[in-house]
Amino acid sequence: QSVLTQPPSVSAAPGQKVSISCSGSGSNIGDNAVSWYQHLPGTAPKLLIYENNERPSGIPDRFSGSKSGTSATLGITGLQSADEADYYCGSWDSSLSAGVFGTGTWVTV
Amino acid sequence: QVQLVESGGGVVQPGRSLRLSCVASGFNFGDYGMHWVRQAPGKGLEWLAIISLDGSEKYYADSVKGRFTVSRDNSKNTLYLQMNTLRAEDTAVYYCALRLNYWGQGTLVTVSS
Repeated sequence: QSVLTQPPSVSAAPGQKVSISCSGSGSNIGDNAVSWYQHLPGTAPKLLIYENNERPSGIPDRFSGSKSGTSATLGITGLQSADEADYYCGSWDSSLSAGVFGTGTWVTV
Repeated sequence: QVQLVESGGGVVQPGRSLRLSCVASGFNFGDYGMHWVRQAPGKGLEWLAIISLDGSEKYYADSVKGRFTVSRDNSKNTLYLQMNTLRAEDTAVYYCALRLNYWGQGTLVTVSS
């Protein structure tokens, strides 16, 4: 079962903005960096954000990340139909000595 | 560029074993820790295991601890996942990942009689 909690779904019109929350605890988000992934069925998950707010090369600045305490947020602006996908947060849990993912959020544009 | 190619998936009966492989290219494999992650049908991503760059440290999710073993052969740029005593709930697409930054396309494991 997932240790990090996300809303099941969010939606917005094309061109608008969505925010996806990721709630954890002191041993995971509170203690370690957060990454965000975009995942379409049948494809490899794609890294969008690492180290809480860093974007890999090639990821547009429409995607942003932030972290505060034991929660993190992914923001997507200028929504496009291509952004329809599942989004997951991920972190390390120092108490479990294990990787942890969020429950996943489906974005509808 | 980084490439990760998983193989070894298929249909297996409950209680049997299977070994997955992940061949890496485009980076110095021996310099990085590697992960295994899976996604069961209709479910989210589930982290399974991590192995350090030299294989000396390994950590597992509780769901697979004692049944799955991660290993690597740096001379072959290959990561492995030995899966024993498989259960129906192990049915999933299995991904290998470089530091959870780069992922393979996955290999499907179906546990069914």
